[in-house]
Amino acid sequence: NAGVTQTPKFQVLKTGQSMTLQCAQDMNHEYMSWYRQDPGMGLRLIHYSVGAGITDQGEVPNGYNVSRSTTEDFPLRLLSAAPSQTSVYFCASMKGFGNTIYFGEGSWLTVV
Amino acid sequence: GNSVTQMEGPVTLSEEAFLTINCTYTATGYPSLFWYVQYPGEGLQLLLKATKADDKGSNKGFEATYRKETTSFHLEKGSVQVSDSAVYFCALGGTTDSWGKLQFGAGTQVVVTP
Repeated sequence: NAGVTQTPKFQVLKTGQSMTLQCAQDMNHEYMSWYRQDPGMGLRLIHYSVGAGITDQGEVPNGYNVSRSTTEDFPLRLLSAAPSQTSVYFCASMKGFGNTIYFGEGSWLTVV
Repeated sequence: GNSVTQMEGPVTLSEEAFLTINCTYTATGYPSLFWYVQYPGEGLQLLLKATKADDKGSNKGFEATYRKETTSFHLEKGSVQVSDSAVYFCALGGTTDSWGKLQFGAGTQVVVTP
């Protein structure tokens, strides 16, 4: 059981480039989400999804795009990378209301 | 809106010392409360949780009690080890209008020295 898998683990981008962070879970969880972690700020929610075909914005959605075509996958797209998007990104999933949220191991992104 | 405030770090302790990390929250509804731990270079792992007032979560020697009257969920461990060195996050979630969204505190780094 792989749990929540994120790729890539490390990435360096140039300003203006686009890329996709991949997230997959094999637990048949309905709920998936993306957070970013910045020093002194904890984790902040970027986007989330309560099921295939349904997505919504979190606290800091600007500059990011998501889609949920399958239950298993929830990719996060950076449309035009900016240095302010240098961060550690975590994908998470949950079965449903009241259940434990499981996190991936993180993706370290640097935008230069 | 919901928010979580936890004590700033780093907290530096000697092995076998007592650890307390304070966490207070504001929320509408009846949230669940969580403590997550992040070891260096790794993702977040759930340490413990409490889903209603007066519940006590416990795991690996850590404990936290959900105190609705003081809106607190302080983390404690009676005797820390070097392996407890990590960043600890208090989080709130599971209210009816935000059931899957976790609101995190800023994190507290704990350093345990031999």
